[in-house]
Amino acid sequence: DIVMTQSPATLSVSPGERATLACRASQSVSSNLAWYQQKPGQAPRLLIFDASTRATGISARFSGSGSGTEFTLTISSLQSEDFAFYYCQQYYKWPPMTFGQGTKVEIK
Amino acid sequence: EVQLLESGGGLVQRGGSLRLSCAAPGFIFRNYAMTWVRQAPGKGLEWVSSITGSGGITYYADSVKGRFTISRDNSKNTLFLQMNSLRAEDTAVYYCAKAESRRPNWFDSWGQGTLVSVSS
Repeated sequence: DIVMTQSPATLSVSPGERATLACRASQSVSSNLAWYQQKPGQAPRLLIFDASTRATGISARFSGSGSGTEFTLTISSLQSEDFAFYYCQQYYKWPPMTFGQGTKVEIK
Repeated sequence: EVQLLESGGGLVQRGGSLRLSCAAPGFIFRNYAMTWVRQAPGKGLEWVSSITGSGGITYYADSVKGRFTISRDNSKNTLFLQMNSLRAEDTAVYYCAKAESRRPNWFDSWGQGTLVSVSS
């Protein structure tokens, strides 16, 4: 199974600052990586697929990069609605599809 | 707009069964693979099972293989998850999620989730 490892577990950021979240795969997943945002009590929401393509309706504040084993989700100029959990997911080699354990972005 | 509406969750004793449903109006259901993802209380996301658009191919996590069965009725735009021999570790919110194509890949729409609680 491909293990997805996200870092840091918690990221404390002030509103208006940039947040950089990392996701590492235990083996190459090419560009078959998605990012999701989840707020407490809500379902996840797709942000990014194919490592760097924003989903429909997603703000340009969100950008994804990377390929192979190293990926980054960048949130420029954090807004209050961006404080949430973020998960990466690989769909390159499966089953099983695997998610990272998540990064919590909290207000500093 | 895509809507996914799960139902069927509840409290069940260890060893019991539940059948989850996910109604999917608003899009051409048969054209898209569907998936169940679960989230235990306070934990992250765990992929459970997927099914292709035609329903001809199914996939399962090792943790549920042999106990859970995914199926779909394309004439009724509905996805199902039959869960048997339930264990305490199956306690979670279960989400149905839509893929972007007939084969599972990323999940572009999610339901609101249905809670399954297994008592020991």
